[in-house]
Amino acid sequence: SYELTQPPSVSVSPGQTASITCSGDKLGNKYACWYQQRPGQSPVLVIYQDTKRPSGIPERFSGSNSGNTATLTISGTQAMDEADYYCQAWDSNTYVVFGGGTKLTVL
Amino acid sequence: QVQLQESGPGLVKPSETLSLTCTVSGGSISSSSYYWGWIRQPPGKGLEWIGGRHFGGSTYYNPSLKSRVTILVDTSKNQFSLKLSSVTAADTAVYYCARHTDGSGWYSVYWGQGTLVTVSS
Repeated sequence: SYELTQPPSVSVSPGQTASITCSGDKLGNKYACWYQQRPGQSPVLVIYQDTKRPSGIPERFSGSNSGNTATLTISGTQAMDEADYYCQAWDSNTYVVFGGGTKLTVL
Repeated sequence: QVQLQESGPGLVKPSETLSLTCTVSGGSISSSSYYWGWIRQPPGKGLEWIGGRHFGGSTYYNPSLKSRVTILVDTSKNQFSLKLSSVTAADTAVYYCARHTDGSGWYSVYWGQGTLVTVSS
């Protein structure tokens, strides 16, 4: 079965750049997307089709996907960005797959 | 604005069948561009995809849950449903319904608010 691997936690100082990785076999050949989930809330899509931002998502959120790794980058990180982040992709055998999630701490 | 709302029992006994419904408003469930799916999240853990169904009948299930899952779409009510049989405590989770966009990695812009289902006697 297809698996996506994320670091359990990432820390960043306010105003700095946070990078969260998502690794999977030949992930660059698939579309990756990213969700933000704050405690007690439903996930919110922040990046889709590797690099696109949905309407209403700040420009400081960006994405890339190449080789075996997709990356979510948050530039000028703000306290409100503290949340859990999940990558997701679609595989022809396993279908929708989520990464294990990364807790972003802004300190 | 598309909205999704889950409904169903919050408590299910072990070995019984969990049944949830998702009501879609602000858009048609009969759109060819989307699959209608269910995702769950055990307390304190990550997201797990359960499955998705197109109104035309095409269905995909998580291989690890396939033997116990049925997802149906009711176009007359603009609803879709989840049935998970033979539940155990491991099925205790917040269950979300979502709209998956077909052909583009199945990303989901729209999610329900989630409903907690506890499996306990």
